[in-house]
Amino acid sequence: SQKIEQNSEALNIQEGKTATLTCNYTNYSPAYLQWYRQDPGRGPVFLLLIRENEKEKRKERLKVTFDTTLKQSLFHITASQPADSATYLCALEPYGQNFVFGPGTRLSVLP
Amino acid sequence: EAQVTQNPRYLITVTGKKLTVTCSQNMNHEYMSWYRQDPGLGLRQIYYSMNVEVTDKGDVPEGYKVSRKEKRNFPLILESPSPNQTSLYFCASSPLNNEQFFGPGTRLTVL
Repeated sequence: SQKIEQNSEALNIQEGKTATLTCNYTNYSPAYLQWYRQDPGRGPVFLLLIRENEKEKRKERLKVTFDTTLKQSLFHITASQPADSATYLCALEPYGQNFVFGPGTRLSVLP
Repeated sequence: EAQVTQNPRYLITVTGKKLTVTCSQNMNHEYMSWYRQDPGLGLRQIYYSMNVEVTDKGDVPEGYKVSRKEKRNFPLILESPSPNQTSLYFCASSPLNNEQFFGPGTRLTVL
């Protein structure tokens, strides 16, 4: 069956460290994968999109990798700050614009 | 300001009483979508539309209807709401194959 998994439900890290979040999928062949940030009670906010022919994408302190052989995307936040605390969602569009979201990882950056 | 708006933001209703949640975007996006978010189940797509008069089912369409008569509007209709449709609902829009912009959410309670 098709599935998207994110490495852990919750992740705690110390301020200044690099947070690494994982998104694994099975039985999909997406053309691209997206990462979103969601704060409690609010709509997700787009962060990065990476296409199947791209290995890595960066935006300020954010970095995303996409390995279509492993069926995995890694999302890194360097020099993390308490303001980065949120739930992070990966999403893919396996076919016909039918988006599927992962369950999310709740990141807490401790001062 | 570019945005997706949803109304109402909060709604408490009773079983069987038809309701409509409106969604509007001012970015001239082709693609619009509805999601519901439930604890432990994540964000799941209900319906989506790739253009005017074109709608398709997502993963959880049962009990919902949509229409896309104009490009900017994509209302979600619950003809006969039931308690299992109590949820947080998000509307989103995007250019095709690109980042999604989410609305602020509608918290629906069906008694």
